[in-house]
Amino acid sequence: DQQVKQNSPSLSVQEGRISILNCDYTNSMFDYFLWYKKYPAEGPTFLISISSIKDKNEDGRFTVFLNKSAKHLSLHIVPSQPGDSAVYFCAASAEPGFGNEKLTFGTGTRLTIIP
Amino acid sequence: NAGVMQNPRHLVRRRGQEARLRCSPMKGHSHVYWYRQLPEEGLKFMVYLQKENIIDESGMPKERFSAEFPKEGPSILRIQQVVRGDSAAYFCASSRARNEKLFFGSGTQLSVL
Repeated sequence: DQQVKQNSPSLSVQEGRISILNCDYTNSMFDYFLWYKKYPAEGPTFLISISSIKDKNEDGRFTVFLNKSAKHLSLHIVPSQPGDSAVYFCAASAEPGFGNEKLTFGTGTRLTIIP
Repeated sequence: NAGVMQNPRHLVRRRGQEARLRCSPMKGHSHVYWYRQLPEEGLKFMVYLQKENIIDESGMPKERFSAEFPKEGPSILRIQQVVRGDSAAYFCASSRARNEKLFFGSGTQLSVL
C-alpha cells in the first residue's frame, strides 16, 4: 500500500525553465511533508518542508505547495540548473510536532536538467 | 565536519550468512534511524534508536533483524540468515533531537547471492 505516490518516474526540463515535481498522498493523518534530493551513491539530502497548516513554503529557488483537500503537493524549482539533476523524494509524517521518525517516502522522480 | 558515516558501502553475502551494517551518527547527534530501500521502491522506516535504547522498531521485520546503538561505538543493524529478499540499500540517518532535521548517510548496498 503506497501511501505516498510520485507517479512520474522521470522528468526532463530545459535549463532556466521551471521544474515541477508532483506528489500525492492517501493518508489523511499526514501533517508534515518534506522533499529530499538524492545524488547517485549518496544519501538523501533534506531540501524543503511544509506543515499542514500552510499551503506554501519558499526557500530561494525552491517552493513547495500543499493542497490538503486534494492530498497533493508539488515542488517547484525555478530557474532550473544543471546541478538540480537528481532523484527527488517526497516524504510525509504523521508524527506530532514534526516528528522525523517513521517518514513515509515516495518512490522518487528522476529530474534531468538539459543544458 | 564529518557527516553520517556508514560502512561498508557494499556488502555481499550468501544466503544464510549474517550481515552487519554500521552507522556512526554526526557529531552531537544521539538519535539514529534506519531506513531500507528495496529496488524500485521508496525508503521505508525500520527502527529509531537513541543511545542504548530502541524507541520505535515498528518497521523492523519480526525475525532475523535487530538493531542496537550502544553507549560507545556505532549503531549496528544486524540481519541473521540473510535471504535474497534482503538485498536492498540500507540508509542510516541521525538527528540532534527528535524533531530536528535528519541527515542521511550514503547507505550500504547489501547484495545476497
